[in-house]
Amino acid sequence: AQSVAQPEDQVNVAEGNPLTVKCTYSVSGNPYLFWYVQYPNRGLQFLLKYITGDNLVKGSYGFEAEFNKSQTSFHLKKPSALVSDSALYFCAVRDASGGYQKVTFGTGTKLQVIP
Amino acid sequence: DVKVTQSSRYLVKRTGEKVFLECVQDMDHENMFWYRQDPGLGLRLIYFSYDVKMKEKGDIPEGYSVSREKKERFSLILESASTNQTSMYLCASSFRQWETQYFGPGTRLLVL
Repeated sequence: AQSVAQPEDQVNVAEGNPLTVKCTYSVSGNPYLFWYVQYPNRGLQFLLKYITGDNLVKGSYGFEAEFNKSQTSFHLKKPSALVSDSALYFCAVRDASGGYQKVTFGTGTKLQVIP
Repeated sequence: DVKVTQSSRYLVKRTGEKVFLECVQDMDHENMFWYRQDPGLGLRLIYFSYDVKMKEKGDIPEGYSVSREKKERFSLILESASTNQTSMYLCASSFRQWETQYFGPGTRLLVL
């Protein structure tokens, strides 16, 4: 069975500082990994994904994530946080093996950027 | 841009009522999904559909059913609403199962 863990319910960071939102995963095969963001009273929006290739993935709004196979992690990062980055962030994983595989989402991490 | 719309943003229903939540996508996506979102539990998959008239149970299908009569429309049905079904319901679609999912704005359902 596949699973994903977001160990921090909330992350606080000062505006202008670098931010990291952590994600670790477990799948039997190779993973497809995703990050989504949810602003208040909105649906989820796609940020970035890792399917294959370069371990460093760049996405929307200046976010990036690094796939680390040995540590089974896919942490989300941004060099300089903005107040507008404050939102709920979800990591998701899907086993890359064939068939009708569902995507498993983490429990979410609330990012608070302090002015 | 892909657009996923949901029939209601907010809904209040009584225990025992039959509830229909509708989702429509405009990008000819094969796959559609229904999730519920609860604080501390993240998103949990209720049902998904990979083709018209096809459906698969997700993690928490009990108390729910779905219908996909047309490719663009995926309905979630609460046969007899209960208070523990009070939640945010999110619909999503994707072209292939492993690809990016596009989400609707969500329906916040309150069952009294």
